[in-house]
Amino acid sequence: NAGVMQNPRHLVRRRGQEARLRCSPMKGHSHVYWYRQLPEEGLKFMVYLQKENIIDESGMPKERFSAEFPKEGPSILRIQQVVRGDSAAYFCASSRPRGSKETQYFGPGTRLLVL
Amino acid sequence: DQQVKQNSPSLSVQEGRISILNCDYTNSMFDYFLWYKKYPAEGPTFLISISSIKDKNEDGRFTVFLNKSAKHLSLHIVPSQPGDSAVYFCAASSEGADGLTFGKGTHLIIQP
Repeated sequence: NAGVMQNPRHLVRRRGQEARLRCSPMKGHSHVYWYRQLPEEGLKFMVYLQKENIIDESGMPKERFSAEFPKEGPSILRIQQVVRGDSAAYFCASSRPRGSKETQYFGPGTRLLVL
Repeated sequence: DQQVKQNSPSLSVQEGRISILNCDYTNSMFDYFLWYKKYPAEGPTFLISISSIKDKNEDGRFTVFLNKSAKHLSLHIVPSQPGDSAVYFCAASSEGADGLTFGKGTHLIIQP
């Protein structure tokens, strides 16, 4: 009865490197959301995906950030050419298919530190 | 531009008393509200939610009240226990929007 899984839990990158964050949704959930939390801030929505489909990426920065949720395997949030301002906690959430309001359940997060 | 505001960064309450956490919102399109609890180095844990068609929802020690005319909701925890010490986030969603909009959180400290 595993919850939302995220790995790695901590990631250190130097400026200019790439960061890949992975998220496996809860069993029975087919919808994935990514959020970013900067220090002393609330969580900010980035992107919403179903399998093989990006549904809403209105919160994603226009450059360097991309997300995917392939037919097999976890969802990936990819940050290219990281900068210090990318240092944050990145949380993934999952939910059941949305007909009415479905609660989003969160993973433990990946803490990215850019040196 | 904060659409969901939690104006108290921290709140200290004595064990056994009632904790009241407040949240205000500005977007009248929000129709579903949630409270999450978060411990350090963990992800937010869902606590309780309320739809805009209701004004109260209760689950054990937790009750959420919604005042739509004031665009205000509150979370009541009674009695407060030491394990309730955490950061509490208020979140909201609207029809047609996929992501939740979060407040900045209130750090609740339960004193023995």
